[in-house]
Amino acid sequence: AQSVSQHNHHVILSEAASLELGCNYSYGGTVNLFWYVQYPGQHLQLLLKYFSGDPLVKGIKGFEAEFIKSKFSFNLRKPSVQWSDTAEYFCAVNAYDFGNEKLTFGTGTRLTIIP
Amino acid sequence: GAGVSQSPRYKVAKRGQDVALRCDPISGHVSLFWYQQALGQGPEFLTYFQNEAQLDKSGLPSDRFFAERPEGSVSTLKIQRTQQEDSAVYLCASSSSGGGADTQYFGPGTRLTVL
Repeated sequence: AQSVSQHNHHVILSEAASLELGCNYSYGGTVNLFWYVQYPGQHLQLLLKYFSGDPLVKGIKGFEAEFIKSKFSFNLRKPSVQWSDTAEYFCAVNAYDFGNEKLTFGTGTRLTIIP
Repeated sequence: GAGVSQSPRYKVAKRGQDVALRCDPISGHVSLFWYQQALGQGPEFLTYFQNEAQLDKSGLPSDRFFAERPEGSVSTLKIQRTQQEDSAVYLCASSSSGGGADTQYFGPGTRLTVL
């Protein structure tokens, strides 16, 4: 079965710092990859997703992620964070070959931005 | 616009009680998912419907958990004889047309506490 690892449990950064959150998955077949974000008091919402084509995908609010198939990774990046980026970030994978739409999530990374 | 809604938002049950959690997906969405999120963890898949058909229930932790979507819209997750380990946030998500790359839209969740 597929699994997702997020190595950073809690990241604290100052405003304007650069961000990279790690995500690795374990599945050898075709995958669809997602980053979801949960702002305080709000629902999970999609930041960005990869399903085919250019492995560098851009999402909302200046976030981007790069799919590196050889490393089974899908790291999230932002060149300059803002206080409003304080949230919990979840990486998720869909194992396309199973013909199933379910998502397998990582445990999440809590991001705290200090003004 | 209307998103995914869930009710109740909070539920406290005594151990051994039965509970029913409701999900109203986005209108017209074909696929509906239930996830369980324990404290400090990412969401974990429970079950999945395409219209009224339950296509995957592999994530349901025991036969005390039962889900239905009889008319292909609203869904109910029922937990019989609740146990303390059932305490979690139960998330519902819907997607428009099926396919693993489709975006899942999440509701606010129902926080279940079993005493």
